[in-house]
Amino acid sequence: GAVVSQHPSWVICKSGTSVKIECRSLDFQATTMFWYRQFPKQSLMLMATSNEGSKATYEQGVEKDKFLINHASLTLSTLTVTSAHPEDSSFYICSARRDSGNQPQHFGDGTRLSIL
Amino acid sequence: GESVGLHLPTLSVQEGDNSIINCAYSNSASDYFIWYKQESGKGPQFIIDIRSNMDKRQGQRVTVLLNKTVKHLSLQIAATQPGDSAVYFCAERGNFGNEKLTFGTGTRLTIIP
Repeated sequence: GAVVSQHPSWVICKSGTSVKIECRSLDFQATTMFWYRQFPKQSLMLMATSNEGSKATYEQGVEKDKFLINHASLTLSTLTVTSAHPEDSSFYICSARRDSGNQPQHFGDGTRLSIL
Repeated sequence: GESVGLHLPTLSVQEGDNSIINCAYSNSASDYFIWYKQESGKGPQFIIDIRSNMDKRQGQRVTVLLNKTVKHLSLQIAATQPGDSAVYFCAERGNFGNEKLTFGTGTRLTIIP
């Protein structure tokens, strides 16, 4: 089955630092990947759509300069939280889908980000 | 539809019984629906999907029913097991030429031994 790997799984860092999260599709090519944010006991909220070789598409209210997305290859997208602050603490999850046909998004196991 | 910051609905089911989890979706133009299972501290795991031209689809121990008239989706899990305890989300894809999913608020399923 499709496997999406996300790294790191847990990050604790000081306020003001930048954190990079990687999302890899391990056994398929993914032109499009997605980044979500999830607060405790809440649903997933789409932050942005990551497009290989082009700029990401951000959802309304998501700061593109705060959450930098790079999708340099068909198997890797990265999310960088720049100058992170405590309010950025959350569970960040990526997903990817096979390029062909009606295919579901497959999710990574998320990154727990804690900003002190 | 859009998720909101509400407490998760919960469902408790005796082990071995069947469970039904319901979801109301918002966009009548949505053409594809997915059920995901999320265990604590993990990402959502794909369970089953259904296209809008179908009203029922079966998998292993799971069945998804789609009622487009009332914009309702359900997930039936047969003979529930302790490992079925998790939060279940429905997701819909709008027919807008992109692959964006909108997630429901989720339901916490607890299996009672």
